[in-house]
Amino acid sequence: GNSVTQMEGPVTLSEEAFLTINCTYTATGYPSLFWYVQYPGEGLQLLLKATKADDKGSNKGFEATYRKETTSFHLEKGSVQVSDSAVYFCALRPNTGTASKLTFGTGTRLQVTL
Amino acid sequence: KAGVTQTPRYLIKTRGQQVTLSCSPISGHRSVSWYQQTPGQGLQFLFEYFSETQRNKGNFPGRFSGRQFSNSRSEMNVSTLELGDSALYLCASSLDREAGNTIYFGEGSWLTVV
Repeated sequence: GNSVTQMEGPVTLSEEAFLTINCTYTATGYPSLFWYVQYPGEGLQLLLKATKADDKGSNKGFEATYRKETTSFHLEKGSVQVSDSAVYFCALRPNTGTASKLTFGTGTRLQVTL
Repeated sequence: KAGVTQTPRYLIKTRGQQVTLSCSPISGHRSVSWYQQTPGQGLQFLFEYFSETQRNKGNFPGRFSGRQFSNSRSEMNVSTLELGDSALYLCASSLDREAGNTIYFGEGSWLTVV
């Protein structure tokens, strides 16, 4: 079946540090890949997405590239801010029968300090 | 454009009771899915509805049920509540079932079972 593996957290960084959160997936075919962010006490917000191999999703300084050869979708940001502190979830959406079912990773908590 | 709206936001129920949660999708979205989020199990897919029909179901007992109305609004019901049902229940909507379309989440309904 489909699965998503994320690096364990929490990740603690100083403001303006470089961020990488690793995400790898297992799926049949060519799923769409997403990063969602969850701030304390809130629901999930879409951060970025990529729908085919070599696509790069980007938003608010965050980027992730769909790498089919390594089945990865690592999240990066060049300079994090305190306001980026949240939990980040990598997810995939298959392009076959269960297309509306997102499979999530376990989430990575990011804490950014001054 | 209004986002996914869930009601109620917070509720406390007693073991053995039942609960109904409501979800209004983004206007024009026809696919509605539900997820349960707990610290131990993470984000787990409950079920998905499209055109008033359940299309997919996750691995949850029959106490969890749902339905979708002709206006795409959805409800989920949990009967005979157990302590372990305490969770954040997230509703999500998507334009349709195409893999490339984004799934948008509501703020969630926080259920506490005592």
